[in-house]
Amino acid sequence: KQEVTQIPAALSVPEGENLVLNCSFTDSAIYNLQWFRQDPGKGLTSLLLIQSSQREQTSGRLNASLDKSSGRSTLYIAASQPGDSATYLCAVRSNQAGTALIFGKGTTLSVSS
Amino acid sequence: NAGVTQTPKFRILKIGQSMTLQCTQDMNHNYMYWYRQDPGMGLKLIYYSVGAGITDKGEVPNGYNVSRSTTEDFPLRLELAAPSQTSVYFCAILTSGSNTGELFFGEGSRLTVL
Repeated sequence: KQEVTQIPAALSVPEGENLVLNCSFTDSAIYNLQWFRQDPGKGLTSLLLIQSSQREQTSGRLNASLDKSSGRSTLYIAASQPGDSATYLCAVRSNQAGTALIFGKGTTLSVSS
Repeated sequence: NAGVTQTPKFRILKIGQSMTLQCTQDMNHNYMYWYRQDPGMGLKLIYYSVGAGITDKGEVPNGYNVSRSTTEDFPLRLELAAPSQTSVYFCAILTSGSNTGELFFGEGSRLTVL
């Protein structure tokens, strides 16, 4: 059974710092991996999608990497801003459960000005 | 939200009452999902559907039922509401291919059972 773990559960950084969020998964037979952002009381916004054949994806100040063989992904945020404060969720898709996403519990990021 | 509409946005139920959470998509996608999110617990899959007339259980299906009579609609029904079903419910669709597609979520339905 696929399990997804995100470490740390919470992170506080000063504005301008570069940071890395970690995601690990137990079964490397995945189709793809998605990173989401969730603001308090809101829905999920898709940030990046990495297919199993890819090593990384970039969008603006965000860069996500995937090492399928070791079961790890990282989300790198450059030059963090207070507006980046949110919970970041990692999820993987495989051939389980109608190819549904299996989620980690998230990392709550707080960026202070 | 990629054309995924959830209603209602908020609802308070009494124990034992029934209700249906609606999810509608306007993009003719086959794969649809219902998740629930509890504080600090990530999202857990309740039910999913790979096309009209086809549904299956996810990780936490007890206390819920679904139907998929059309491609557009995937309602989630709570028959006898319990306090443990207090949660935020999200409907999602899978775009493009079943292996390479991306999941997009509705804005959620916040349910409180008292």
